[in-house]
Amino acid sequence: EAGVAQSPRYKIIEKRQSVAFWCNPISGHATLYWYQQILGQGPKLLIQFQNNGVVDDSQLPKDRFSAERLKGVDSTLKIQPAKLEDSAVYLCASSLVGTSRNNEQFFGPGTRLTVL
Amino acid sequence: GDSVTQMEGPVTLSEEAFLTINCTYTATGYPSLFWYVQYPGEGLQLLLKATKADDKGSNKGFEATYRKETTSFHLEKGSVQVSDSAVYFCALLMSQKLVFGQGTRLTINP
Repeated sequence: EAGVAQSPRYKIIEKRQSVAFWCNPISGHATLYWYQQILGQGPKLLIQFQNNGVVDDSQLPKDRFSAERLKGVDSTLKIQPAKLEDSAVYLCASSLVGTSRNNEQFFGPGTRLTVL
Repeated sequence: GDSVTQMEGPVTLSEEAFLTINCTYTATGYPSLFWYVQYPGEGLQLLLKATKADDKGSNKGFEATYRKETTSFHLEKGSVQVSDSAVYFCALLMSQKLVFGQGTRLTINP
């Protein structure tokens, strides 16, 4: 079974530029998550989708971050404009809903963003 | 709000030593508890989990017991190997929302 795919793996941009990250969840997983992991900290949830609807975006800085999940499969996370403090690893995860294993989230390898 | 506090790192041990990484939590309800591991250059992987009080999760020689009375979920391994070097994250799950601790970097020397 293929895992969660993310691209790019690394991105370096200057502040005030825009950037987008892509995630392809495990086939059949209805729920998709984006996390931000700042160096030395644990991942923090940014947004959670169920199919193509937003379940929780309370921690998403909506003035500069946006995310979408068209057709309930792939998702993109965008930052515009980027700030220095956005330097982090952005993790995508997915999970099944409505099964005995619905508590397990499977994580992708992450995209490491450096803002200069 | 819900939170997880982990033992500060980094932790450095010799091969075959006994490992304990402490984890305590604060939650408004009855969460599920997890340990995730992040090997160098790789994504987060679920190591073990426990979904109710007194449950013991185990995998790859690691164990953790859900202690409701002390709100703890300490990770233990009897004899660590160099290949166990990684960052370990304790996490709780409430309403499908994972809340992570800050992580503990573990280095095992041969």
